[in-house]
Amino acid sequence: EPEVTQTPSHQVTQMGQEVILRCVPISNHLYFYWYRQILGQKVEFLVSFYNNEISEKSEIFDDQFSVERPDGSNFTLKIRSTKLEDSAMYFCASTGDRYEQYFGPGTRLTVT
Amino acid sequence: GQQLNQSPQSMFIQEGEDVSMNCTSSSIFNTWLWYKQDPGEGPVLLIALYKAGELTSNGRLTAQFGITRKDSFLNISASIPSDVGIYFCAGQRVATNKLIFGTGTLLAVQP
Repeated sequence: EPEVTQTPSHQVTQMGQEVILRCVPISNHLYFYWYRQILGQKVEFLVSFYNNEISEKSEIFDDQFSVERPDGSNFTLKIRSTKLEDSAMYFCASTGDRYEQYFGPGTRLTVT
Repeated sequence: GQQLNQSPQSMFIQEGEDVSMNCTSSSIFNTWLWYKQDPGEGPVLLIALYKAGELTSNGRLTAQFGITRKDSFLNISASIPSDVGIYFCAGQRVATNKLIFGTGTLLAVQP
């Protein structure tokens, strides 16, 4: 069964460094998303992406964040200058229609 | 902001028992989704609901989209140890793709 994959599974970085989190959505899906989950809390929406542009973003998704679909399979989230409070699980999701979002296994980002 | 409140916050039950949890909001949603999350993993989609009043089953799981469109419930029948995890509801409003997640219900099943 097709699934969303994410790399790396765990990323440790120093405050102020740039990180790129990678995702391969399900191959025939058209809508892509990033969410994050701070330890012990609920999942929060960051950004949605369709037709090579951002379709919606939350207030969390400030100028330090960007997304890109550099080729036909990858979808990336970049954080330019990480802060301690960026430490969280980051989940990529995709959907073939607008409703059923399938999530990847996540990347645990630890900022020290 | 939009809030989805789930109850109960946690449940500790014996294997074989039935479980019921619900999700309520002050806002109307057009789609309700239920996910299960195991520790350190991503949410796994269990059931999707699209119409008010809709009742949908997936094996031992049954979920309903409330008539008011402001709530949903999930039932698990004859629980087994692998049902352990955190269950999240998620709502989606019209003209937006983003999911608003609930606060989660932690389920523990004792064999």
